[in-house]
Amino acid sequence: AQSVTQPDIHITVSEGASLELRCNYSYGATPYLFWYVQSPGQGLQLLLKYFSGDTLVQGIKGFEAEFKRSQSSFNLRKPSVHWSDAAEYFCAVGASGGSYIPTFGRGTSLIVHP
Amino acid sequence: NAGVMQNPRHLVRRRGQEARLRCSPMKGHSHVYWYRQLPEEGLKFMVYLQKENIIDESGMPKERFSAEFPKEGPSILRIQQVVRGDSAAYFCASSPTGQDGYTFGSGTRLTVV
Repeated sequence: AQSVTQPDIHITVSEGASLELRCNYSYGATPYLFWYVQSPGQGLQLLLKYFSGDTLVQGIKGFEAEFKRSQSSFNLRKPSVHWSDAAEYFCAVGASGGSYIPTFGRGTSLIVHP
Repeated sequence: NAGVMQNPRHLVRRRGQEARLRCSPMKGHSHVYWYRQLPEEGLKFMVYLQKENIIDESGMPKERFSAEFPKEGPSILRIQQVVRGDSAAYFCASSPTGQDGYTFGSGTRLTVV
């Protein structure tokens, strides 16, 4: 069974600073990987996904993530954070076979200081 | 093209009552997934359905919870005889093929008093 670890519960950055949110996964084969963002009281919006190919994935809102098989990681990055990026971020891993149902991490809450 | 529609947005039930949560997937999406989110926790998978079929219900509690996705109409998550521990946000997501990133609805926040 797959699992996801987001080691940081909260991250605080200043507006304009760079951001990296960590995600480590456990899965025996090549996983499908996702990052979602959730604003308060809202559903989840897909930021980006990795299925295969180029390990550096570009997403919406200026986000990118890099799949590193050797480290079992899929960290999310943004070069310059905006105040509107404050939200909860979830990493998810899906099995590349079987019924394919993503497992979500606990989430990282991003706080942005002006 | 409307997104995934969930209703109601907020639902208050007394202990012992029934809760019915509805989810209309995006047009053209025949795969529906229900997740539950408890405070300070991530999303926990509950059930995966395709039209008229339950594909995977490994995350569903064995009692009081049921789900359906009829040929016509929305998917329904039903919780009978609710207890305080059922209070949570319930999210529905849909996918066109079952092998894509999901589109999530805005959720139903269930409060059991």
